[in-house]
Amino acid sequence: QPVLTQSSSASASLGSSVKLTCTLSSGHSSYIIAWHQQQPGKAPRYLMKLEGSGSYNKGSGVPDRFSGSSSGADRYLTISNLQSEDEADYYCETWDSNTRVVFGGGTKLTVL
Amino acid sequence: QVTLKESGPVLVKPTETLTLTCTVSGFSLSNARMGVSWIRQPPGKALEWLAHIFSNDEKSYSTSLKSRLTISKDTSKSQVVLTMTNMDPVDTATYYCARHRLSSGWYFDYWGQGTLVTVSS
Repeated sequence: QPVLTQSSSASASLGSSVKLTCTLSSGHSSYIIAWHQQQPGKAPRYLMKLEGSGSYNKGSGVPDRFSGSSSGADRYLTISNLQSEDEADYYCETWDSNTRVVFGGGTKLTVL
Repeated sequence: QVTLKESGPVLVKPTETLTLTCTVSGFSLSNARMGVSWIRQPPGKALEWLAHIFSNDEKSYSTSLKSRLTISKDTSKSQVVLTMTNMDPVDTATYYCARHRLSSGWYFDYWGQGTLVTVSS
């Protein structure tokens, strides 16, 4: 079963960019993942599906400031021109074939 | 417009059985490229997947909770039901349902608003 590893926290200044990482465990580097944003007190929101090739598909209404990329077992979420509303928890998700779902531990993003 | 809405008790007592209903709209539970999952989140903690069900009624459960969970669906009512037996205070959490879809792999693309369930006597 795959394991997803995320840094517990990240911070960046208003208007700057930040790159969050989700790392797939050994043997699972080809897996697709999805990124989800959870603002304080709200339900998670789907941001994008991200493939090992780096190709990504964003959800409806997700700003252009959000983009994805991949390198080996690493899946990245880049947020440009950080806004205060981007302060949230970010989770990555993947599936072990169609039987089990795995979430990363989440990254808490602080906008300074 | 795709929506999912969870409903169920706000408070349950230890040892009781929890029954949650997810009512969906904007898509059909008979769509072979879609399904519904249940996920929970204890206060201040990360997301934890519980169970999912596909259009062909195929189901999967979290290994650690499998003995306590049952998921089912009523396609005509657009509802997915999760039962969890022998509730304990550690099961206090916000419970979400989410749609999963197939596009180069499965992933969640819509979430419900969640329902907070507290387990206490």
